[in-house]
Amino acid sequence: EVKLVESGGGLVLPGASLKLSCIVSGFTFSDYWMRWVRQAPGKGLEFIGEIKPDGSKTNYAPSMKGRFTISRDNAKNTLYLQMSSVRSEDTATYYCATIFDYWGQGVMVTVSS
Amino acid sequence: IQLTQSPSLLSASVGDRVTLSCKGSQNINNYLAWYQQKLGEAPKLLIYNTNSLQTGIPSRFSGSGSGTDYTLTISSLQPEDVATYFCYQYNNGNTFGAGTKLELK
Repeated sequence: EVKLVESGGGLVLPGASLKLSCIVSGFTFSDYWMRWVRQAPGKGLEFIGEIKPDGSKTNYAPSMKGRFTISRDNAKNTLYLQMSSVRSEDTATYYCATIFDYWGQGVMVTVSS
Repeated sequence: IQLTQSPSLLSASVGDRVTLSCKGSQNINNYLAWYQQKLGEAPKLLIYNTNSLQTGIPSRFSGSGSGTDYTLTISSLQPEDVATYFCYQYNNGNTFGAGTKLELK
């Protein structure tokens, strides 16, 4: 059974940093490009970025460059999203996904003082 | 590439043929997918590469289009199709449309 389980979300203060994790099972993690996508409450989907199977290359949406960093540990079947200097507009559900085949259920991040 | 979906809200009856539109600001070269998202759930891929049906998706869903204009068609609307539908382009960067919410009339 394929599972993608995100964690690390919650309530965070503006300006803080946060690292999300996504643990994968049920498919060969190291074969896939992996992505992060977010969805603000009641809004549409927003692509954050992606990472190559071996971790050697990342691409980010222009609006996400600079504050978000995607990384992976293939030995641990885990994808990461490092978020820095968070602001209220980053409040959203964050999904890890291969995009075409598999999606996690998402983790909520709320930025508020 | 910006994607514009229309309409933003669509009301239809069970059995209706439903057509959803997605227009790109540039040529998408058929690198377009459609997702269905039900309330409280993760998105589910329906169609990729414009017209390829994802495994396990009912054949009442189909996709078409070229250039900048793409369409998702549901040939006979079922109650379980109530959801929001997003298009997604992966030709130049990666962007999603704002979605079409489909409800029953």
